[in-house]
Amino acid sequence: AQSVTQLDSQVPVFEEAPVELRCNYSSSVSVYLFWYVQYPNQGLQLLLKYLSGSTLVESINGFEAEFNKSQTSFHLRKPSVHISDTAEYFCAVSGDWKAAGNKLTFGGGTRVLVKP
Amino acid sequence: DSGVTQTPKHLITATGQRVTLRCSPRSGDLSVYWYQQSLDQGLQFLIQYYNGEERAKGNILERFSAQQFPDLHSELNLSSLELGDSALYFCASSSGGTGPNEQFFGPGTRLTVL
Repeated sequence: AQSVTQLDSQVPVFEEAPVELRCNYSSSVSVYLFWYVQYPNQGLQLLLKYLSGSTLVESINGFEAEFNKSQTSFHLRKPSVHISDTAEYFCAVSGDWKAAGNKLTFGGGTRVLVKP
Repeated sequence: DSGVTQTPKHLITATGQRVTLRCSPRSGDLSVYWYQQSLDQGLQFLIQYYNGEERAKGNILERFSAQQFPDLHSELNLSSLELGDSALYFCASSSGGTGPNEQFFGPGTRLTVL
């Protein structure tokens, strides 16, 4: 079985400050990792994904995440946040194809509030 | 806009009733997934269909059922509704049935059971 833990339920941060959202996963098989963002009253949008290759993945809007297999982590970072980054961020894992098809297992979410 | 559409956007109904949520996947996508988002359970996978066939099942209640039609749209049927079924229900789609397929999410249907 797979599981995902997001260690912080809320992260307040000032505009232009850096932010790190922590994500740890548990799985008995090789995994694929995702970060999704949910803006208020909207659906989920894919922010970035790790499938294979380089362990550092980047998004077009300045976020990056690093896959660390030994620490079973996939933390999300941004060096300088904007007010528009206020949202809830979800870490997700998939990979147990035989047992679970292509389902995503989500963490509990981290609510980021960017203050001016 | 992800290309995944869901109707209705909001649904208010009473306990004991039955409702149907509808999802149209992105053009060309063969897989449809249903997820439930609630305050106490978070985001939970319910069920996946691939090209009309059930592919995987999560913690979906027996009162809930789903199907995928030949035109690939999907419906999630919720019956004998309880207060605890109030939640946001998301549909997602992807091109394949297994492997690292990116899932695209619809805007969701907010169900309120009174």
